[in-house]
Amino acid sequence: QQQVKQSPQSLIVQKGGISIINCAYENTAFDYFPWYQQFPGKGPALLIAIRPDVSEKKEGRFTISFNKSAKQFSLHIMDSQPGDSATYFCAASMTGGADGLTFGKGTHLIIQP
Amino acid sequence: GAVVSQHPSWVICKSGTSVKIECRSLDFQATTMFWYRQFPKQSLMLMATSNEGSKATYEQGVEKDKFLINHASLTLSTLTVTSAHPEDSSFYICSATPGTGQETQYFGPGTRLLVL
Repeated sequence: QQQVKQSPQSLIVQKGGISIINCAYENTAFDYFPWYQQFPGKGPALLIAIRPDVSEKKEGRFTISFNKSAKQFSLHIMDSQPGDSATYFCAASMTGGADGLTFGKGTHLIIQP
Repeated sequence: GAVVSQHPSWVICKSGTSVKIECRSLDFQATTMFWYRQFPKQSLMLMATSNEGSKATYEQGVEKDKFLINHASLTLSTLTVTSAHPEDSSFYICSATPGTGQETQYFGPGTRLLVL
């Protein structure tokens, strides 16, 4: 049973556009929702994270929107750049980080110049 | 800050041999470390959670006798793949958290294992 569903699987966005990736979770015990960026052959790097008591969090060009009642959260990348081309994973965990992360299946993002 | 390293970055071994992968937190003490496995173009799957000085907790379906985890210090965890077989070939990634209540996981660069 996949506990975190991520869409789309792949996404092509023009330079300067907004990239939007969506995730939905099933386990209401999840209380921490990070987004990671991964380049080929590298480990994931934390982009931004949110807790359920906040509906939106913004850090630079990256924004997380969180809908607790719908059990959904999304990543928005504003002014997308070619250097943003990577695979993005949403994730979720419980108990303040003492548990491991449950990852979505990933979104392969391509920013066209 | 919050740098996690892994060694080796890649390893090729013969079927039946054992391989040890090290995960180190370079600038913080990690009370908890996690080991993940990632197949090509797929997501990361949690294998086990290790806390310094105690036995690792393995996820369902992960063979604890095959994937030996040792977390001997606050900066080092090791994963040993015993009697490796071609199906064990994968990308192994560790992560570490600084301490209780600190939910941010910092990931290492990963280790590519190829079993021939």
